[in-house]
Amino acid sequence: AQSVTQLDSQVPVFEEAPVELRCNYSSSVSVYLFWYVQYPNQGLQLLLKYLSGSTLVKGINGFEAEFNKSQTSFHLRKPSVHISDTAEYFCAVSPVGYSTLTFGKGTMLLVSP
Amino acid sequence: DVKVTQSSRYLVKRTGEKVFLECVQDMDHENMFWYRQDPGLGLRLIYFSYDVKMKEKGDIPEGYSVSREKKERFSLILESASTNQTSMYLCASSSGQSNQPQHFGDGTRLSIL
Repeated sequence: AQSVTQLDSQVPVFEEAPVELRCNYSSSVSVYLFWYVQYPNQGLQLLLKYLSGSTLVKGINGFEAEFNKSQTSFHLRKPSVHISDTAEYFCAVSPVGYSTLTFGKGTMLLVSP
Repeated sequence: DVKVTQSSRYLVKRTGEKVFLECVQDMDHENMFWYRQDPGLGLRLIYFSYDVKMKEKGDIPEGYSVSREKKERFSLILESASTNQTSMYLCASSSGQSNQPQHFGDGTRLSIL
C-alpha cells in the first residue's frame, strides 16, 4: 500500500516570494508521482508528473518539483508566486503498472499582496 | 481538449433517497474513477472501473455502488442516502497506460438533508 503525507495544511506567503510545498510518500514498490492544483469551485488540474529520468520536473505556471528517492520526497517549488496561485495543492502517487492514485490531504497556498 | 463532465454542480437530496451522480468523458479513456473530497481528508477513492461493466472497490465503497454500461459514462449510486454522505464528489478518467494522469470533472457538491 502507498501513503502520502503533505506536511503543511496551509502555507501563507506574500506575493513574489518563493514557496515550497512539501510532500513525502511511502511505498514498497516503485511509484509515479504527481502534483495537482484545485482552484475554488473547480476540479483538479495536473501541474506536473515524475515518471522516470531527470529528478527535476518542470510543470505549468512556473512550478517545478524535485524527486528525492532516498528521502522519499517530491517537494513542489515556485521561485515567485502570484495572487492567482492561491489554491489547494495535492500530491499523489501511483504504483508503477497501476492507474489508481493515492492522494495526500492537500496544502492550501494563500498568497497575499 | 480533454473533457470530463459531471451532470450536476450542486445537488440537494433527502435522507433515504436513491441518488445518481453521472459522469461522462469524451476522451475514449479506459479508466474511470469516483472520489469524495472532504475538508482535511483530501480525496478518497470510492470505486473505479477499468472497462465497460467492470468495477473495483476503492478505499471507501460502503454505501455506494457504480454502473458502467458504456465506455464514456460512469455512474455513482447512493442506494439510500445518509447525512454522512454530504460531500464533494469528483469524477476522473485516464487512459489504460499507468503512467498517464487522471483528468477531473468540476465536481458535484451533494447535500443530504
